[in-house]
Amino acid sequence: EPEVTQTPSHQVTQMGQEVILRCVPISNHLYFYWYRQILGQKVEFLVSFYNNEISEKSEIFDDQFSVERPDGSNFTLKIRSTKLEDSAMYFCASRPGGETQYFGPGTRLLVL
Amino acid sequence: EDQVTQSPEALRLQEGESSSLNCSYTVSGLRGLFWYRQDPGKGPEFLFTLYSAGEEKEKERLKATLTKKESFLHITAPKPEDSATYLCAVQAYVGGGADGLTFGKGTHLIIQP
Repeated sequence: EPEVTQTPSHQVTQMGQEVILRCVPISNHLYFYWYRQILGQKVEFLVSFYNNEISEKSEIFDDQFSVERPDGSNFTLKIRSTKLEDSAMYFCASRPGGETQYFGPGTRLLVL
Repeated sequence: EDQVTQSPEALRLQEGESSSLNCSYTVSGLRGLFWYRQDPGKGPEFLFTLYSAGEEKEKERLKATLTKKESFLHITAPKPEDSATYLCAVQAYVGGGADGLTFGKGTHLIIQP
């Protein structure tokens, strides 16, 4: 069964550094998403992406964040200058034309 | 603002003891309500999508139902492997492509053998 994959599974970085989180959505899916989950808190929507552009973003997704689909398979989330409060699990999700979003296993980001 | 409230926050059951998890929601126009299962340190695993009041879906020991204000996840004769956090999320109708999910905090379910 096709799955969303994410790399790396864990990332440790210093405050102020740039990080890029990578995702390979399910093949033939058209809509792509990033969510985050701070430890012990609920899953929060960051951004959705369709047809090579952002279709929706939350208040969390400020100028420090950017997304890109550099080729036909990868979908990336970049955080330009990480802060301590960016420490969280970051989930990528994708969906076909239907409504259901399928999530990847996540990248645990720790900012020191 | 869309809101999702799940109760209880935590639930401990004996193996075989059936129960229900609640998800109350407030949304401007419901496009879909979703149930996911999340194991520790893992991503949400899709269980069900419900679209309209009165709809029901079943999968093994789980059954999800939907009304205009809430959804229930019924678990019948649970087994220890059903232990997980169960997440409820809603998607609202907002323009054309807006479709970020709003999640509740989840119900942490423990099934004791």
